[in-house]
Amino acid sequence: QQQVKQSPQSLIVQKGGIPIINCAYENTAFDYFPWYQQFPGKGPALLIAIRPDVSEKKEGRFTISFNKSAKQFSLHIMDSQPGDSATYFCAASRGSYIPTFGRGTSLIVHP
Amino acid sequence: GAGVSQSPSNKVTEKGKDVELRCDPISGHTALYWYRQSLGQGLEFLIYFQGNSAPDKSGLPSDRFSAERTGGSVSTLTIQRTQQEDSAVYLCASSLAYTQYFGPGTRLTVL
Repeated sequence: QQQVKQSPQSLIVQKGGIPIINCAYENTAFDYFPWYQQFPGKGPALLIAIRPDVSEKKEGRFTISFNKSAKQFSLHIMDSQPGDSATYFCAASRGSYIPTFGRGTSLIVHP
Repeated sequence: GAGVSQSPSNKVTEKGKDVELRCDPISGHTALYWYRQSLGQGLEFLIYFQGNSAPDKSGLPSDRFSAERTGGSVSTLTIQRTQQEDSAVYLCASSLAYTQYFGPGTRLTVL
């Protein structure tokens, strides 16, 4: 199975809240786990990525938590802002081969 | 530097017509991907080119879809005898290693 299951499908938070998006994978050969952010009318853009040798990675207000034994990883957005409103996709790949994407999470951050 | 570009940005066609969508990847990127994204949906993998290797066509939904990559650079996705269910945003991405860089997409509408 090459699936990556992403949840929730949609998420609404107030400004300053901490939305959390979760992904689960099945293929233990995956070794690269990126998150992409997509604004309406634009293509997805890499937000942050992690490899399975670390359990957490932070870049600014964005944090990936990785649980190798549970085969799960999640994106946390600290102090969320209305400008963070977008669709977020998790993905997983083995090396640089074709990534498997989650189905996406539509995030709305209210002012 | 220049990112991935796609043309046209919008294409409206009549059912049964053929269409060609173009992708100009980032210079030097050896890998090129095509995806389809329907309204509010995730990324559906179509085809993958890596260097001079034979393309991975495993995601093409029917034999009406084909793609080529000339000189290891520009790629064209061709849809023959378009159907209304082909209406979607077609995204191209290129990469040198793990990170994919996406173009803005071509929105295809089949009337």
